Amino acid sequence: QVQLVQSGAEVKKPGASVKVSCKASGYTFTSFYIHWVRQAPGQGLEWMGVINPSGGSTTYARKLQGRVTMTRDTSTSTVYMELRSLRSEDTAVYYCARDPRFISMVRGVGRGWCDPWGQGTLVTVSS
Amino acid sequence: DIQMTQSPSSLSASVGDRVTITCRANETIGSSLNWYQQKPGKAPQVLIFAASSLQSGVSSRFSGSGSGTDFTLTISSLQPEDFATYYCQQSYTTWWTFGQGTKVEIK
Repeated sequence: QVQLVQSGAEVKKPGASVKVSCKASGYTFTSFYIHWVRQAPGQGLEWMGVINPSGGSTTYARKLQGRVTMTRDTSTSTVYMELRSLRSEDTAVYYCARDPRFISMVRGVGRGWCDPWGQGTLVTVSS
Repeated sequence: DIQMTQSPSSLSASVGDRVTITCRANETIGSSLNWYQQKPGKAPQVLIFAASSLQSGVSSRFSGSGSGTDFTLTISSLQPEDFATYYCQQSYTTWWTFGQGTKVEIK
């Protein structure tokens, strides 16, 4: 079955960087977009960006542009999300999620949705 | 970015009640609107995609409607397992955005 398994919880100091992984299984890795969404404690969902695992192209939320980088390793079917210059407001659970539509059948990420989701990775930023 | 506004932010309802949650976009998004359910400590799960398409495996008591700027999620007969937070999300543009969420609580 389609599964996304994320790396474990992280504790970082302000100003540091964090890199969260998302390992995909059960499907052809390069055929589906992967999105990242985060959720601060007690807050709503915030879309962070998307990567095309085939060519590696990315689109990031304007708010995070310059601080976030999404990459992929096709040899291990793993997507990574790195967030730099961490501040306390970045404390959140970070989720990866797949768009279930074949990349080859759609024109970009428009009209997509997320299913399934990874289990989430808690990143705590604290001095 | 397109802004999504849900109402109400929270509601109290009883088992068996019909529940309606609305989501409004600040510009037209066609039918590019999805609904998710999230339970405490769990990842969200899609209920409805493309405004009105029921995700496989999701109960038929969930339904979605709307197009343009105004959308609705309806739970026809609330069940104990439906108490959760619900989010709408637009994917009309490359930069996706979520509503702020609606928490459905037990009355």
